[in-house]
Order: sequence, then structure tokens, then C-alpha cells
Amino acid sequence: NAGVMQNPRHLVRRRGQEARLRCSPMKGHSHVYWYRQLPEEGLKFMVYLQKENIIDESGMPKERFSAEFPKEGPSILRIQQVVRGDSAAYFCASSRDGAEDTEAFFGQGTRLTVV
Amino acid sequence: LAKTTQPISMDSYEGQEVNITCSHNNIATNDYITWYQQFPSQGPRFIIQGYKTKVTNEVASLFIPADRKSSTLSLPRVSLSDTAVYYCLVQDNYGQNFVFGPGTRLSVLP
Repeated sequence: NAGVMQNPRHLVRRRGQEARLRCSPMKGHSHVYWYRQLPEEGLKFMVYLQKENIIDESGMPKERFSAEFPKEGPSILRIQQVVRGDSAAYFCASSRDGAEDTEAFFGQGTRLTVV
Repeated sequence: LAKTTQPISMDSYEGQEVNITCSHNNIATNDYITWYQQFPSQGPRFIIQGYKTKVTNEVASLFIPADRKSSTLSLPRVSLSDTAVYYCLVQDNYGQNFVFGPGTRLSVLP
């Protein structure tokens, strides 16, 4: 059973371009979470999705950021018109359900660099 | 969602036992306590989870007092490879389970 797969591992974008980050959850997992992490800082929650639904996007910036988790295929975190401040590591996690004793499994992250 | 408070950093030496305490004063009846470990440039990974009293696995022990307002992660005989950030989470069943605080940065010295 493959773990959570994120791609690409490293992504370089020029200011103003779009960044698309992909996350394939573990098999059988229908809950996905996205986080952003700056160097030497903790994980900042961005968005929580279930298949075809956004459950909680309280951590998402109001502009330029969007996320989806379609019925088929990976979850996508999309950042439009990237700026230097978007440079960070973006981690995705998945869980089987939203129960209070569920375990989240994390991917290796995508390191976005905006030049 | 119960807020957690834990020390920002700790230092230890190889072979010592390390105890990291997390406060979660407004934990609810059905909430679980979970600890994750994160190495540099990697995603966090699950260490241990508990509801009450004591839980032990091959990696760590988790002590939870009767009032459940705090919990202590215990790492026996740490090695240099245990240098990492340790996060304490309180999980409920309302969906927002995985909100991480700043964590505790453990440095194990030779």
C-alpha cells in the first residue's frame, strides 16, 4: 500500500505564474489535508477536503489559492499568480475518516520556490 | 478544537529519557491525544495516540492523567536520530483534527 504521494517534489515558478501541487492519498483514504510550512516554523493548516467537498478552508488565503479533491484523481492545490512569499514547503496528509482517533499519513511535501 | 501548549524547545543528551509535556486544558470528553514527529525536510509521522492513562509502543510512551488536561510523551534513551520537532494534537470528531501548533524542537546532543 503506497503512502501519500506528492508531486512534484520540487517546483520552481517565476512570479506571476501558476503553481499546481498534486496529492494522491493512501488507498482507501477519502480525507485530505493541506499544510504550508516555512523554514524553521510549524505546519500551518490550509484546507481540509473530502471527496468532491471542501470541509474547512479557514487556513486558505482568500485570494489566489484554491484546492479541490475530485471524485477521480488526486487532490490539487492551485496557487495563481505566485509571489515570492508563496515559497514554502507544502505538505499533504490523508486519513481514512474524520474520527477522533484516526491517524493522518503525510507525504514528503512539495518545495515551491518562486523566483 | 482544544488548543495545545508545549515547550518550544528542549535539549537532551544521548541515552537520556526525554519527557515532553503538552497542556490541553479544554479537551473534550471524546477527544484523543496524538503525537507526531517531524524530521527536517520530511512530512510528520505518527508516534503514539492515547485517550487516558498510559499507552506504550515500540517507540514511546504516553502518559495521560485522570483529568486529561495534559499529556506527557516519554522517549526512552534518546539517540541523535531522535532530534526532530514533536507535535501534540488533540483530535475531535468534528473534522478539524489535524491542526498543528509550533511543536517542541528536541535537540539530542552527543
